[in-house]
Amino acid sequence: EVQLVESGGGLVQPGRSLRLSCAASGFTFDDYAMHWVRQAPGKGLEWVSGISWNSGSIGYADSVKGRFTISRDNAKNSLYLQMNSLRAEDTALYYCAKVDPLRFDAFDIWGQGTMVTVSS
Amino acid sequence: SSELTQDPAVSVALGQTVRITCQGDSLRSYYASWYQQKPGQAPVLVIYGKNNRPSGIPDRFSGSSSGNTASLTITGAQAEDEADYYCNSRDSSGTHRVFGTGTKVTVL
Repeated sequence: EVQLVESGGGLVQPGRSLRLSCAASGFTFDDYAMHWVRQAPGKGLEWVSGISWNSGSIGYADSVKGRFTISRDNAKNSLYLQMNSLRAEDTALYYCAKVDPLRFDAFDIWGQGTMVTVSS
Repeated sequence: SSELTQDPAVSVALGQTVRITCQGDSLRSYYASWYQQKPGQAPVLVIYGKNNRPSGIPDRFSGSSSGNTASLTITGAQAEDEADYYCNSRDSSGTHRVFGTGTKVTVL
């Protein structure tokens, strides 16, 4: 079964750091680009960051550039998001998502998300 | 512009047809994909490319595109289609991804 499982969320104070993980299974992880997408409570989806299969191409939304770092470990079938200098507006459910180049890079598989709450 | 704009909400009578639109400059160059999200659940891909459905998505869902506008049509809406729908595409530079503002579909 193709599956993505996020972890690492929690309650954190403003200005602190948190590292999210996404464990992939059921597909050849290092064949695919991966992304992080977030959703603030009661709000819409927001693309956060994406990374190519070999980490050679990385992109960030302007709202997180310079504070968040995406990475992957293909040997461990895992995707990560290092979040520094967290702000209240980073409070959201964070999803990892796989893209399929045969589907015009659509997000074809999503995890269930991990909640990040930034509050003092 | 790197934004994708959707109507906030639409309603449709059971069994009737509803079209959801997504507007943005990047859609002149890139296909949109469409996602259905029900409360408390992760998004699900329903349309990608010109008009393609992943396996398991009913054929009442279809997609189209013209100029800077992509559309998702539900023909013969069912109660289970009540959900939020989001479009997604690359931004105008092609390097980033952007989601539409989302449309809440209510089936009456």
